[in-house]
Amino acid sequence: LAKTTQPISMDSYEGQEVNITCSHNNIATNDYITWYQQFPSQGPRFIIQGYKTKVTNEVASLFIPADRKSSTLSLPRVSLSDTAVYYCLVGDTGGGYNKLIFGAGTRLAVHP
Amino acid sequence: DTAVSQTPKYLVTQMGNDKSIKCEQNLGHDTMYWYKQDSKKFLKIMFSYNNKELIINETVPNRFSPKSPDKAHLNLHINSLELGDSAVYFCASSPTGGAGQPQHFGDGTRLSIL
Repeated sequence: LAKTTQPISMDSYEGQEVNITCSHNNIATNDYITWYQQFPSQGPRFIIQGYKTKVTNEVASLFIPADRKSSTLSLPRVSLSDTAVYYCLVGDTGGGYNKLIFGAGTRLAVHP
Repeated sequence: DTAVSQTPKYLVTQMGNDKSIKCEQNLGHDTMYWYKQDSKKFLKIMFSYNNKELIINETVPNRFSPKSPDKAHLNLHINSLELGDSAVYFCASSPTGGAGQPQHFGDGTRLSIL
């Protein structure tokens, strides 16, 4: 199983860009990289997913270098409501089944 | 409309009791899941059903029994509750059971064992 490593916590201020980097040295050829966000007392919410290069949606951007051994989630101009735990997951094919393996995540605190 | 809804939101009960948690999704997805988030906040998958058929069954005590009456519902029954069962249980769904598909989570059921 490909394991991910990400910072335990990060602090930022409103209006800043936040970049959270995740290491996944043992990523397999068929694995996707997926990020989820979790607010207190809520379930995780899918943010973005990518395989290589760059992916952008209305919420975030995901940068993946050519060797795919790491990835960076970029949140533009964060607000207080972006305070949450962010999880980086590398797809576990699990025999082809959709089994998410969550790590400890990165606890992002956005300050006024 | 809530896409994945779980009931109850909170469940407080005594050791040894039997309890059930219900989950329903209105997304038309084929696959549903149960996850457990313990006090250390780690989320671990327990079960997955694809169109009423069990496809993932992690190392979970057999006191936990999932039941899927149809593909929109996945319930979790727990027998002889123990203190270590205290956690938040999340239900999720995805279009199919294929690897890499985004999963949609409910807001969890907080189970507290006295």
